[in-house]
Amino acid sequence: GENVEQHPSTLSVQEGDSAVIKCTYSDSASNYFPWYKQELGKRPQLIIDIRSNVGEKKDQRIAVTLNKTAKHFSLHITETQPEDSAVYFCAAGGSQGNLIFGKGTKLSVKP
Amino acid sequence: DGGITQSPKYLFRKEGQNVTLSCEQNLNHDAMYWYRQDPGQGLRLIYYSQIVNDFQKGDIAEGYSVSREKKESFPLTVTSAQKNPTAFYLCASSSGPGELFFGEGSRLTVL
Repeated sequence: GENVEQHPSTLSVQEGDSAVIKCTYSDSASNYFPWYKQELGKRPQLIIDIRSNVGEKKDQRIAVTLNKTAKHFSLHITETQPEDSAVYFCAAGGSQGNLIFGKGTKLSVKP
Repeated sequence: DGGITQSPKYLFRKEGQNVTLSCEQNLNHDAMYWYRQDPGQGLRLIYYSQIVNDFQKGDIAEGYSVSREKKESFPLTVTSAQKNPTAFYLCASSSGPGELFFGEGSRLTVL
């Protein structure tokens, strides 16, 4: 089955700096790669996703890149703000619809 | 107001007891999922169902059971066979391969 590795497990940045979180996956059949943000005590919410037919997708300060050959994808957050502090999860999924998640990255943005 | 509702939010169980967590959605989604969340472990898939009266085991199904008698409902039973049931349980739904919509979660504590 699918296995998703996520790094780093914790990340601390200064406000205004960029943050990068990386994930690798094992199943070459996976074709959907979302990123979820979970604030303390709340449910995970989708912030951006990418499908295997594109290499990069941007939404304001957030971008995701995908390298299908190397089986890795990354989340990039620019101009970080304190409200970006949360746990971020990557996931990989295929035609079955079930998503396999990474273990999460706790991002802390220091003002 | 469309969404996915989990109950109860908090649940305490004595060792040896079975408990059932409720998950209801009015999004008209075909697929529903149960994930378990432990600190530092990310979200691990317990069971998922793509259609009524059918469900599949995820990565950590041992000690759990589910049913899918109605499209709107996907209850999870944590049985006494589950050795370490204390965790945060998240239910989710989707209309197909793509974004998962999560409930607010149920926190189970074994006394």
